[in-house]
Amino acid sequence: DSGVTQTPKHLITATGQRVTLRCSPRSGDLSVYWYQQSLDQGLQFLIQYYNGEERAKGNILERFSAQQFPDLHSELNLSSLELGDSALYFCASSVATGGREQYFGPGTRLTVT
Amino acid sequence: KNEVEQSPQNLTAQEGEFITINCSYSVGISALHWLQQHPGGGIVSLFMLSSGKKKHGRLIATINIQEKHSSLHITASHPRDSAVYICAVRSQSGNQFYFGTGTSLTVIP
Repeated sequence: DSGVTQTPKHLITATGQRVTLRCSPRSGDLSVYWYQQSLDQGLQFLIQYYNGEERAKGNILERFSAQQFPDLHSELNLSSLELGDSALYFCASSVATGGREQYFGPGTRLTVT
Repeated sequence: KNEVEQSPQNLTAQEGEFITINCSYSVGISALHWLQQHPGGGIVSLFMLSSGKKKHGRLIATINIQEKHSSLHITASHPRDSAVYICAVRSQSGNQFYFGTGTSLTVIP
């Protein structure tokens, strides 16, 4: 158990809908990272937050947004969902930003039908 | 063109064998990570390296910054080592992560 929690574990929704994925980092970790893992594209970095501020942005679509709240939990919002958004979404946390070890949550499996 | 290339893509080994997985990258990096993903999907970070060599139990990771290459070694492999091993790098600016496509390892008893 990494200490990082993600909810929900599974989510099935229809195209065009909007969903919110939630992540709680390990106690004491200030950085949260979001990743997408799909069958055809592998793991991709979406976005990083550090202590409430956006720190790095990867291949995140404009339909997706994220935020980190004062209690350090983070939410990833996915809107206007398409079939291709079906994937595993992982959250990871680290104690700080920069070159630090990351601890991964169990992931949320999103299926868009 | 992939910024991170891993080899081999698939690897089958007998229990007890010494295993090496290779990772080459083409960008400047601030850190390199080795990740393990089991069939259930969960990801565990095995190592984070910026230079030299690290060892945890039967696992050893090395990195050569000049050659832009890293290796993950498993000594005395065991069936529980069966998993996908993924190499990931963080760019020098720290603003991007790049992932290899993974090496699927199966260790046969």
